[in-house]
Amino acid sequence: DAGITQSPRHKVTETGTPVTLRCHQTENHRYMYWYRQDPGHGLRLIHYSYGVKDTDKGEVSDGYSVSRSKTEDFLLTLESATSSQTSVYFCAIKESGQGNTEAFFGQGTRLTVV
Amino acid sequence: AQSVTQLGSHVSVSEGALVLLRCNYSSSVPPYLFWYVQYPNQGLQLLLKYTSAATLVKGINGFEAEFKKSETSFHLTKPSAHMSDAAEYFCAVSEGNTGNQFYFGTGTSLTVIP
Repeated sequence: DAGITQSPRHKVTETGTPVTLRCHQTENHRYMYWYRQDPGHGLRLIHYSYGVKDTDKGEVSDGYSVSRSKTEDFLLTLESATSSQTSVYFCAIKESGQGNTEAFFGQGTRLTVV
Repeated sequence: AQSVTQLGSHVSVSEGALVLLRCNYSSSVPPYLFWYVQYPNQGLQLLLKYTSAATLVKGINGFEAEFKKSETSFHLTKPSAHMSDAAEYFCAVSEGNTGNQFYFGTGTSLTVIP
């Protein structure tokens, strides 16, 4: 298994509160991603990172911010949680360079906003 | 731009029967294609991938897929379904050897009937 740890694994929070999810990797891979998984939508990219302090938006980035101050950590912050952000969040990593073609996924964080 | 369409959000097969999960893609450049499997409450695990070598690729657990450029398809098959194959399956595309973003289909839930 790829060395990816997501924390927390489960969280319940109230509407309007900030929430931070953490993704930690031990693989030293360059690329890191945050996806959300919702029924009928598959996985949708929220933000991704291509290096320390280098990040970019995905297709569903509104209401989310990210930070990557170290290669191994990629944080996803919901600035003011809403019920529409109730979802399962997955972190993924990928190494750069030819031959490194696929992404590896963490176990997911189930977030409920009440 | 890349996109993936998975036909059939739910597929049911009898144990021992053929499994066929459909994936069609759209890509403006030669794609890399992937099938991932997700078991309940787990992350995504790579089943197999196409990266411009052989068009028929074999993966884990007896699955295989064939890349058909003329049909823009990458359907997943397994000759004989097993109860343990029950899971969610996702097809994904990236932009070939320069691609570091992945676009996922909406998933197909496979049920195996004993």
